[in-house]
Amino acid sequence: GAVVSQHPSRVICKSGTSVKIECRSLDFQATTMFWYRQFPKQSLMLMATSNEGSKATYEQGVEKDKFLINHASLTLSTLTVTSAHPEDSSFYICGVLSGNTEAFFGQGTRLTVV
Amino acid sequence: DQQVKQNSPSLSVQEGRISILNCDYTNSMFDYFLWYKKYPAEGPTFLISISSIKDKNEDGRFTVFLNKSAKHLSLHIVPSQPGDSAVYFCAASFYQAGTALIFGKGTTLSVSS
Repeated sequence: GAVVSQHPSRVICKSGTSVKIECRSLDFQATTMFWYRQFPKQSLMLMATSNEGSKATYEQGVEKDKFLINHASLTLSTLTVTSAHPEDSSFYICGVLSGNTEAFFGQGTRLTVV
Repeated sequence: DQQVKQNSPSLSVQEGRISILNCDYTNSMFDYFLWYKKYPAEGPTFLISISSIKDKNEDGRFTVFLNKSAKHLSLHIVPSQPGDSAVYFCAASFYQAGTALIFGKGTTLSVSS
């Protein structure tokens, strides 16, 4: 399957600052990437679908101005959490769609906002 | 409203026995199902999948069964090994380009030696 690299794996930031998370598809040209968020003991909740060269499609309840997604190339998508607050602390995971249905995921980013 | 449900948050099994993880879905339009394994602080790892036109798919120790009429699928792991201890997520999707996976809440499997 596709190899997906996510960076950083852990980040701690102060409340009010912005944090950028990178998702790279190392061996596969990814037209579509997904961003998920997982709170403790919860499921992986889809935040947005990122399509190369176009605007991301956000799920209901996800603020697009707070969670900025850029998918400028077939190998890189970035998620920027702007003006982060403690309630944004979570585990963020990106996934790459391979073919029509299978997705391969990065190792995730643990964001802690203090 | 959850479209993919894993009603058992945890399962404990002895090494060598069979582990059966269950998943139910509500949307009959789903036509592709996947199981992922996840360790803490890591991304999910793909295990096995099944198309809605099949009722069984096997890969080594892992077998997935699909019962479309009951909107139910299960993952069988046999024999279970301590290294299988992880959280298992069931996911569903629609067979069209660009569709994201919908995940269940996961089941934590603990295999004791």
